[in-house]
Amino acid sequence: AQSVTQLDSQVPVFEEAPVELRCNYSSSVSVYLFWYVQYPNQGLQLLLKYLSGSTLVKGINGFEAEFNKSQTSFHLRKPSVHISDTAEYFCAVRRKETSGSRLTFGEGTQLTVNP
Amino acid sequence: ETGVTQSPTHLIKTRGQQVTLRCSSQSGHNTVSWYQQALGQGPQFIFQYYREEENGRGNFPPRFSGLQFPNYSSELNVNALELDDSALYLCASSLASTRGELFFGEGSRLTVL
Repeated sequence: AQSVTQLDSQVPVFEEAPVELRCNYSSSVSVYLFWYVQYPNQGLQLLLKYLSGSTLVKGINGFEAEFNKSQTSFHLRKPSVHISDTAEYFCAVRRKETSGSRLTFGEGTQLTVNP
Repeated sequence: ETGVTQSPTHLIKTRGQQVTLRCSSQSGHNTVSWYQQALGQGPQFIFQYYREEENGRGNFPPRFSGLQFPNYSSELNVNALELDDSALYLCASSLASTRGELFFGEGSRLTVL
């Protein structure tokens, strides 16, 4: 079985500051890794994904994440946040050897950007 | 290109009742999955439908059931509602070949009293 731990439930930052949202995972098999974002009263939207290759992946809205296999981590970063980045962020994994849409999500990190 | 749409957006039921939630998948997508998101939690996988058959299920009891129609739209049915079933129910559509890239609707918020 897989599990995902998001190390911070809430992260408050000021506008234009850098931010890092931390995600660790546990799995006995290889996984694909994802970050999804959920704006208030909306569904989830894919932010970025790691499938293979370069461990640094770039996503939408200036976010990037780095896959660290030895530390089983997939931390999300942005060098300068905006008010509009205020949202809930979810880290997720899917087993590589299976097919389909079964993702295991973390419990989420609420990012609040203050002026 | 139309996105994933869900209905109803909000509903209130009482314990023991039954509920049906509906989802229209994104154009061109043939796979639908359902997730339950309790307040303050991450989404949990309920099940997935492909070619009108369930082909993957999470740790949910049989009173959670579903359907997929020839046009790839889907329904989630929950019987004998319990208070703990109160949650946001999210539908996601994708291609069968997806490696995890899902397109979510805005959800149906169910409150069980």
